[in-house]
Amino acid sequence: QVQLQESGPGLVRPSGTLSLTCSVSGGSLSPYSWTWVRQPAGKGLEWIGHVDYAGTTNYNPSLESRVSISIDSSKNQFSLTVRSVTAADVAIYYCARFFSVDFRGWYYFDDWGQGILVAVSS
Amino acid sequence: EIVLTQSPGTLSLSPGERASLSCRASEMVRGNYLTWYQQKVGQPPRLLIYATSSRATDVPERFSGRGSGTQFTLTIDRLEPEDFAVYYCQQFGSPPFTFGGGTKVEIK
Repeated sequence: QVQLQESGPGLVRPSGTLSLTCSVSGGSLSPYSWTWVRQPAGKGLEWIGHVDYAGTTNYNPSLESRVSISIDSSKNQFSLTVRSVTAADVAIYYCARFFSVDFRGWYYFDDWGQGILVAVSS
Repeated sequence: EIVLTQSPGTLSLSPGERASLSCRASEMVRGNYLTWYQQKVGQPPRLLIYATSSRATDVPERFSGRGSGTQFTLTIDRLEPEDFAVYYCQQFGSPPFTFGGGTKVEIK
């Protein structure tokens, strides 16, 4: 089990860029993938995308044009960038480990950060 | 994308009762790669079940999952006070890895 901690500004201006970092402790980023999920207040979960330890990414098509996820193994961190933010991006943003074992069909998000609330306002 | 519809939206039950939560997919979930999470207020989701029916580490045996294709079920036998929460299903059959809208299990 690893520990994850989100960090970044809790307030972003409309049309600005949201940048969050997830710091991982208690284990290495390799050989796992790492994911971001968000949740508007009182609503359900939305998968944003993930990055594997080599830097390969996969994004939700609904956000792909505005989102980037990157990884920094030297710092044991991975990051999320969301461009051109609007009120629709207000949510709690979670980072999590994406555990997968393809030949067994095991896919799940097992270790999660506590989440960071991001508001959008001028 | 695969749309997951969870029902009912809210389930009102008493401790000791059995809860049956449904997750229906808009198309077949490849490999039945269906995962369930539990979320309590102010907390991140907690992994419960993966690959339709495999319990995650430290998840009590009263939680069980079954299903295939487009219909999946999470059952909680003999509800304990700590089980009252919101439950989400998620599919990993094909990206985007969508979540269902959630079922709230509340105390009756």
